[in-house]
Amino acid sequence: NAGVMQNPRHLVRRRGQEARLRCSPMKGHSHVYWYRQLPEEGLKFMVYLQKENIIDESGMPKERFSAEFPKEGPSILRIQQVVRGDSAAYFCASSPRGQGHSYEQYFGPGTRLTVT
Amino acid sequence: LAKTTQPISMDSYEGQEVNITCSHNNIATNDYITWYQQFPSQGPRFIIQGYKTKVTNEVASLFIPADRKSSTLSLPRVSLSDTAVYYCLVGDMRTNAGKSTFGDGTTLTVKP
Repeated sequence: NAGVMQNPRHLVRRRGQEARLRCSPMKGHSHVYWYRQLPEEGLKFMVYLQKENIIDESGMPKERFSAEFPKEGPSILRIQQVVRGDSAAYFCASSPRGQGHSYEQYFGPGTRLTVT
Repeated sequence: LAKTTQPISMDSYEGQEVNITCSHNNIATNDYITWYQQFPSQGPRFIIQGYKTKVTNEVASLFIPADRKSSTLSLPRVSLSDTAVYYCLVGDMRTNAGKSTFGDGTTLTVKP
């Protein structure tokens, strides 16, 4: 059973460009979470999605950031008009949740975004 | 979500038992306690989760006193490869959508 997949692993964008980060959850997992980690800091929750639904986006910046988890395909975190402050590692996690599960989250390797 | 407090860093030597304590004075009735491990340039990895008393798996033990206001992650006989950041999370995994704030964690350094 493959783990959580994220791509690209490294992404370099110039200020003002768009960044698209992809996350494929573990097989059988229908819950996806996105986190951002700045250097030397802990992970900060951004958004929680189920298939075709945003459940909780309280950690998402109000502008330029959006996320989706379509019925088919990976979850996408999109950052428009990137700025240098967006440089960070972005982690995706998936969870099976539901009755009888321990609610642990399985993390991907992350995408390291560098804005020049 | 309950706020957690952990030591910023700890040092240990190979073969020793390491105990990392996390304080969570405002823990709610439905909150679980979960610990993750993170190596540099990798995503966090689930270690252990518990609600009360003691939980043990093949990697670690988690001790939770009766008042649940703190918890202790115990790593038996650490090796150099256990050098990592350890995060304590507290939350109601059923109703808060699994949303977790990881805080700054405890950086464990294991020395030979």
